[in-house]
Amino acid sequence: KNQVEQSPQSLIILEGKNCTLQCNYTVSPFSNLRWYKQDTGRGPVSLTIMTFSENTKSNGRYTATLDADTKQSSLHITASQLSDSASYICVVSARGSYIPTFGRGTSLIVHP
Amino acid sequence: NAGVTQTPKFRILKIGQSMTLQCAQDMNHNYMYWYRQDPGMGLKLIYYSVGAGITDKGEVPNGYNVSRSTTEDFPLRLELAAPSQTSVYFCASRAYGGADTGELFFGEGSRLTVL
Repeated sequence: KNQVEQSPQSLIILEGKNCTLQCNYTVSPFSNLRWYKQDTGRGPVSLTIMTFSENTKSNGRYTATLDADTKQSSLHITASQLSDSASYICVVSARGSYIPTFGRGTSLIVHP
Repeated sequence: NAGVTQTPKFRILKIGQSMTLQCAQDMNHNYMYWYRQDPGMGLKLIYYSVGAGITDKGEVPNGYNVSRSTTEDFPLRLELAAPSQTSVYFCASRAYGGADTGELFFGEGSRLTVL
């Protein structure tokens, strides 16, 4: 069964600090992995996509990594801001599938 | 483009009532999905559609029905509402062409409470 596990479940950091969120998956055959950001009361929005051949991709202060051998991804947030407070969801798609597999998300709270 | 539009944003139902959650997208996307999100549980797929006239069950379809008569619209029908259907419902769409790589575009959600 395809599964996506995220850790930690929740995280509290001070503004300006860095943090790293983890995603482990067992989806096969692997096609791509996306990180979504979900602000409170809003729908998720895609931050970045990682395909099999990509190791690192940045989107502003967000940097995603992918290790396809160990089936792990991370999302690193640099110099956190209050607006980074949100849930971050890891979503993995199998090749040829219409149905992506969602992780439960990591809830990030950034305190001033 | 408005993207994915969901209505209503909030609704309170009594046990046994029925209602329809509306979802419309203006991006000409073939794939559309309905998810529910319960606190701490992540998004669970209720139903999905790969095109007009084609729908299929997801992980948690019981108590729901869908139809897809046009590319734009994908309404979700709740029959005989139960407290277990209290949740936030999200509609999403995705473009055709590389079904497994396309970005999901989500609506703002419909918060439903069944009392």
